[in-house]
Amino acid sequence: DTGVSQDPRHKITKRGQNVTFRCDPISEHNRLYWYRQTLGQGPEFLTYFQNEAQLEKSRLLSDRFSAERPKGSFSTLEIQRTEQGDSAMYLCASSSGQEPLAQHFGDGTRLSIL
Amino acid sequence: KQEVTQIPAALSVPEGENLVLNCSFTDSAIYNLQWFRQDPGKGLTSLLLIQSSQREQTSGRLNASLDKSSGRSTLYIAASQPGDSATYLCAVRGNQGGKLIFGQGTELSVKP
Repeated sequence: DTGVSQDPRHKITKRGQNVTFRCDPISEHNRLYWYRQTLGQGPEFLTYFQNEAQLEKSRLLSDRFSAERPKGSFSTLEIQRTEQGDSAMYLCASSSGQEPLAQHFGDGTRLSIL
Repeated sequence: KQEVTQIPAALSVPEGENLVLNCSFTDSAIYNLQWFRQDPGKGLTSLLLIQSSQREQTSGRLNASLDKSSGRSTLYIAASQPGDSATYLCAVRGNQGGKLIFGQGTELSVKP
């Protein structure tokens, strides 16, 4: 059990650029979640996969955001035409399909928009 | 709509004190509740998970309780240490598969 891995840890980009983050869940965890956290706030849910199926999306996930989980393993989160308001920590979590369904988080990707 | 509130937002205590962090939620129809710890610039570390049918969970110096009917949970930390300094977050899950809804966290500082 190597934990949830996220890459990159930090991303600095100019407004209007596209960025892509990767999340590798704990091995054999079939559920994968993306959250966004801004300074001083708790994480907010973005989207959730069970295997390769995207089962739920938040209204926070505008049409500039897209997430995929091909083959039900790693996941990517892409933000197109980044805006200042996208600056945040993007957290990935995974859980197994068995009780107690605890979610385990990675260290996140911190995105800074210049 | 489920809302989670944590009080206080910040807490500073001398080393060795026992302390209680509070979490309240507006919809009692939860599946489970998790307490997390977050160090600056880091991700979340799961501390304790309480199923909706349970009243409390313990791990070392930590004890979490759940009162679903009143929409409250507490995290009790015994004999606090400077290494306990971090932000503590509680989160509720409303159904078996889905998202966690988080409070804003309590920033704890334990002074040596």
